[in-house]
Amino acid sequence: DSGVTQTPKHLITATGQRVTLRCSPRSGDLSVYWYQQSLDQGLQFLIQYYNGEERAKGNILERFSAQQFPDLHSELNLSSLELGDSALYFCASSAVAPNNSPLHFGNGTRLTVT
Amino acid sequence: QQQVKQSPQSLIVQKGGISIINCAYENTAFDYFPWYQQFPGKGPALLIAIRPDVSEKKEGRFTISFNKSAKQFSLHIMDSQPGDSATYFCAAYASGAGSYQLTFGKGTKLSVIP
Repeated sequence: DSGVTQTPKHLITATGQRVTLRCSPRSGDLSVYWYQQSLDQGLQFLIQYYNGEERAKGNILERFSAQQFPDLHSELNLSSLELGDSALYFCASSAVAPNNSPLHFGNGTRLTVT
Repeated sequence: QQQVKQSPQSLIVQKGGISIINCAYENTAFDYFPWYQQFPGKGPALLIAIRPDVSEKKEGRFTISFNKSAKQFSLHIMDSQPGDSATYFCAAYASGAGSYQLTFGKGTKLSVIP
């Protein structure tokens, strides 16, 4: 068990809808990362927060947004969903930087857009 | 832009054989190279990592070889076992980049057959 909790595990929704994915990092970890995993693209970095502040942005669409709350949990909001948004969404956390403390991944949220 | 290229996409190895997965990178600022192992239904987990000041690192049956001049690194799994069947991701990190972003390869699905 990595200590990172993601909810829900599965999500099925229709195109055009909006969903929120939730992540609770490992106790003591200040950094939260969101990754999208699809069969053909592998693990794509979306966004990172450190202690409540956005630290880095990757290939995150404008329809997607995230935030990290004072208790350090994070939410990823996906809106105007399209079929191509169907993927596994992973949250990971680390104490500081990945080269000093490993990323710990949750078990992901599988999003299916129909 | 894919900054870490991983090959092969899939690999089938006999039990007891050696599994070899290769990665190449372009960004010379990368200075930390971890490998992650992912089982179905789970998030990736850190397996082993190397920094460019060493050419090889071994942990049990797992060895990373690193060639800084060629900008390549590889994972060797000795005496491969069916329990090693998983997807393996190489990754790279630039500590001076100002963010904590890990860049992942697209993954290699390893199947170890009895």
